[in-house]
Amino acid sequence: DAMVIQNPRYQVTQFGKPVTLSCSQTLNHNVMYWYQQKSSQAPKLLFHYYDKDFNNEADTPDNFQSRRPNTSFCFLDIRSPGLGDAAMYLCATHPARGANGNEQFFGPGTRLTVL
Amino acid sequence: QKEVEQNSGPLSVPEGAIASLNCTYSDRGSQSFFWYRQYSGKSPELIMFIYSNGDKEDGRFTAQLNKASQYVSLLIRDSQPSDSATYLCAVSGGKLIFGQGTELSVKP
Repeated sequence: DAMVIQNPRYQVTQFGKPVTLSCSQTLNHNVMYWYQQKSSQAPKLLFHYYDKDFNNEADTPDNFQSRRPNTSFCFLDIRSPGLGDAAMYLCATHPARGANGNEQFFGPGTRLTVL
Repeated sequence: QKEVEQNSGPLSVPEGAIASLNCTYSDRGSQSFFWYRQYSGKSPELIMFIYSNGDKEDGRFTAQLNKASQYVSLLIRDSQPSDSATYLCAVSGGKLIFGQGTELSVKP
């Protein structure tokens, strides 16, 4: 089945220790998103890729970086995690920018804990 | 600042009743409207999408859109305990903007 996969599902890291979260998709979608969701809050868009075109949200901290080496894979790098970065990180895909009525497909998420 | 507003709840309804979830949005240029269901600790899953004024029905779910009032709602008929979750309203005029979600609790 076509799907969005995130690894790992649970990640524990230490304060300041770099961590990488991964997302892969078999949907061949052009657009991939990374969201941060904290408890009882709305998902917050960090950045997205349209193919290899990277779009950073204005309020995304520099501590967060992303890579998309090919259509199928996208990575979220947190260079120096702080306690405030503990959250669920959601990857989503979309077939094409501006396509109305086409929903975003979410992966299962990675729960990040920072000790 | 484009905003999507929802009552955070919790909204509690008895099993078999109709649950009504509401959402308002600020950007008049918004074109597509989505309702996602999110169980605790899980990722959002799409329930409905709507982009024309009026009602759209899918099984027990009905989405209602009123662009003039900048209002979108979700009705769940014959509510079941398995419907207990947080419901996220999301609005798109390009990027997807989420509301903070309404927690629904369906009591047996």
